[in-house]
Amino acid sequence: SQQGEEDPQALSIQEGENATMNCSYKTSINNLQWYRQNSGRGLVHLILIRSNEREKHSGRLRVTLDTSKKSSSLLITASRAADTASYFCATESNAGNNRKLIWGLGTSLAVNP
Amino acid sequence: DVKVTQSSRYLVKRTGEKVFLECVQDMDHENMFWYRQDPGLGLRLIYFSYDVKMKEKGDIPEGYSVSREKKERFSLILESASTNQTSMYLCASSLDRGTDTQYFGPGTRLTVL
Repeated sequence: SQQGEEDPQALSIQEGENATMNCSYKTSINNLQWYRQNSGRGLVHLILIRSNEREKHSGRLRVTLDTSKKSSSLLITASRAADTASYFCATESNAGNNRKLIWGLGTSLAVNP
Repeated sequence: DVKVTQSSRYLVKRTGEKVFLECVQDMDHENMFWYRQDPGLGLRLIYFSYDVKMKEKGDIPEGYSVSREKKERFSLILESASTNQTSMYLCASSLDRGTDTQYFGPGTRLTVL
């Protein structure tokens, strides 16, 4: 069953603009992760934010986490054509003895040159 | 860098054939996963393993089995391939717990005719 839900489903921007994607989830979590997938390839881990963190940066990426609203956002600043990809959030439930991540359906980002 | 390799990028099989998908990771990770990815359905966990010879069912194990005889290798077996198993298959591994950062292989696009 899906826990994370990203929005928007698809986003199209011009190179240089910022891109913001959101992820909402349903149950309490220990951490939330963002991954990128280029067309027809495997996923690549971008960033992990723990439940006691509110914001995290990595290069042009900024992730925020609001546990009261059960939501996270991924901001890509100064986007490039190479950022064109699908972006997924994945959550780890802290209920029970889960050993797996729960994945959202992804946001498809197109950055136009 | 962690490297996860999958035996084939593209595979075409016929209905009823037995299909083996192999995954190898080179970083001594405890956990390994098999997902399938379909448009509109996201990543769905088929099986995972947290130790040699150990396996646990994911969300959609029907029609599949797995084998983990060595720590670095996790095989997905389609006992009798069917057309509804046409999909992208992604293997992943993680170091400590299943909910840690997952490292993905490039994927195998399987077509069952």
